[in-house]
Amino acid sequence: GQNIDQPTEMTATEGAIVQINCTYQTSGFNGLFWYQQHAGEAPTFLSYNVLDGLEEKGRFSSFLSRSKGYSYLLLKELQMKDSASYLCAVRSFGATNKLIFGTGTLLAVQP
Amino acid sequence: DTEVTQTPKHLVMGMTNKKSLKCEQHMGHRAMYWYKQKAKKPPELMFVYSYEKLSINESVPSRFSPECPNSSLLNLHLHALQPEDSALYLCASSQSGGGAGELFFGEGSRLTVL
Repeated sequence: GQNIDQPTEMTATEGAIVQINCTYQTSGFNGLFWYQQHAGEAPTFLSYNVLDGLEEKGRFSSFLSRSKGYSYLLLKELQMKDSASYLCAVRSFGATNKLIFGTGTLLAVQP
Repeated sequence: DTEVTQTPKHLVMGMTNKKSLKCEQHMGHRAMYWYKQKAKKPPELMFVYSYEKLSINESVPSRFSPECPNSSLLNLHLHALQPEDSALYLCASSQSGGGAGELFFGEGSRLTVL
C-alpha cells in the first residue's frame, strides 16, 4: 500500500518563503507530483520529480530524495493568491498510471 | 485545447434516482480517471481507464458504474446512492496510460445525495 503524509495547515507571510514537506512510503515508486488546489476549483499541476534533486520553475521549486521517501515544495516571494491547498501525489509502477494523493497542506498567506 | 470539461457542475439527486456525470477531453490523452473528493480532504482514486479499457477499480461500490464510450469521453453512472456519497467528483486525463505525463483535472461535478 501507500502512505503519504503532509502537514495539515501552514501559515506564511506575503513576500516570504515557505517549504511544504511530504513523506511517503510506497511500493514501486515512479514519480512524485505537486498540485495546487484553490477552494472550489480543480487541482492544477505544479511540478514533477522522478530523480533525486531539485526542479525549479519560477517561484516554485520541488525537491526529491527517493532514499528518504521525502519531497518538499518551496514557494518563494509568496503572494496572497498562493493561499491554497498543496497536494503531494505519488505515482506507482504498473501497467497503468496510478496517482495517489497525500493528505494535502492548506497554506494561508497573510499580509 | 488543454481542458477537461465536466457536466453537470452541480447535481442533486435522491437515493432512488439514476443519473450520470460526464467528462470530455480533446487533448488526445489515452488515460482517464475518476476521483472523489470530500470537503477538506485530498482526491481519492476511484477508476482508471487506459486506452478505453478499465484498468483500475479501487474497490468502488457497484452503485458507481464507469463507462468510456471512446477515447475522449468518460461517464460515471450513479444509481441508488447514499447521502455519504455526496462529494466533488473530479475527472482527469493524462497523455498515456502507461505512466507518462501529469494529470489534467476538470473542475468537478459537485454531487449532493438527499
